Amino acid sequence: LAKTTQPISMDSYEGQEVNITCSHNNIATNDYITWYQQFPSQGPRFIIQGYKTKVTNEVASLFIPADRKSSTLSLPRVSLSDTAVYYCLVGDMEYGNKLVFGAGTILRVKS
Amino acid sequence: GAVVSQHPSWVICKSGTSVKIECRSLDFQATTMFWYRQFPKQSLMLMATSNEGSKATYEQGVEKDKFLINHASLTLSTLTVTSAHPEDSSFYICSARVRTDRGSYEQYFGPGTRLTVT
Repeated sequence: LAKTTQPISMDSYEGQEVNITCSHNNIATNDYITWYQQFPSQGPRFIIQGYKTKVTNEVASLFIPADRKSSTLSLPRVSLSDTAVYYCLVGDMEYGNKLVFGAGTILRVKS
Repeated sequence: GAVVSQHPSWVICKSGTSVKIECRSLDFQATTMFWYRQFPKQSLMLMATSNEGSKATYEQGVEKDKFLINHASLTLSTLTVTSAHPEDSSFYICSARVRTDRGSYEQYFGPGTRLTVT
C-alpha cells in the first residue's frame, strides 16, 4: 500500500481557494487517488477520485502530475462549513486491496 | 452517489454484554464491505474486510473472536462486539465498495455508530 503524506493542518478564509497537496511517492500502476472529507462524529464523505491529469466535479478538482507521485485537491471558494479533516488515500481496491487512512489534513476556514 | 447506512447511530451497553451494529448498502450491492474504528482525534483504523458469503479478513491486532463480522447478503454486513469492555468504546464506521463505470472502485462510508461501554 502506498503511503501518503499530507500537511497536518491548514488555515484559510471564506471565499478563498484552498489547495491541499498529498505526496505518494510509492504509488503503484493500478492505484487510484481518492479524497475524503470528514466532519466530527460522521463517516468520511467521498469527494473525488482520479488516476491521472485532472478530474473535476461539482465540489472540487483533483490535479495529478504525470509522475503521479503527488496530487492536489482544490476546493474553490471555501466556506465555514468546509472546516473538516481531509484525507488523501491511494489504493487499487480491485484485487482485495483496501484503503488505509493516514492522519489527514485539518482545514480550518475562518470568517 | 451510493448510500451506506448504519444502525444504530449510537448505543450504550454494559460491560460484558454484546452489541451488534448493522451496515447496509441502500442503493447498490456490495460484495465487499469494510469495518473501521476511530478513537477521538485520531484517524480511522481498518479493522477487517468483510466479503459476502465468506469469512472476514481481520487486520493484525484485531481479535476476530471479539469482533464478529457476518456478511450474509450483498447489502448487509454486521459487526458484533462480544463481551464489550470500556476500552471498546469508540466510533465504528463501515464502508462499502462499488465499481464505477470507469472500471475503478469507489468506497462509500456509513454515518458511523458511537459505542459507549459503561
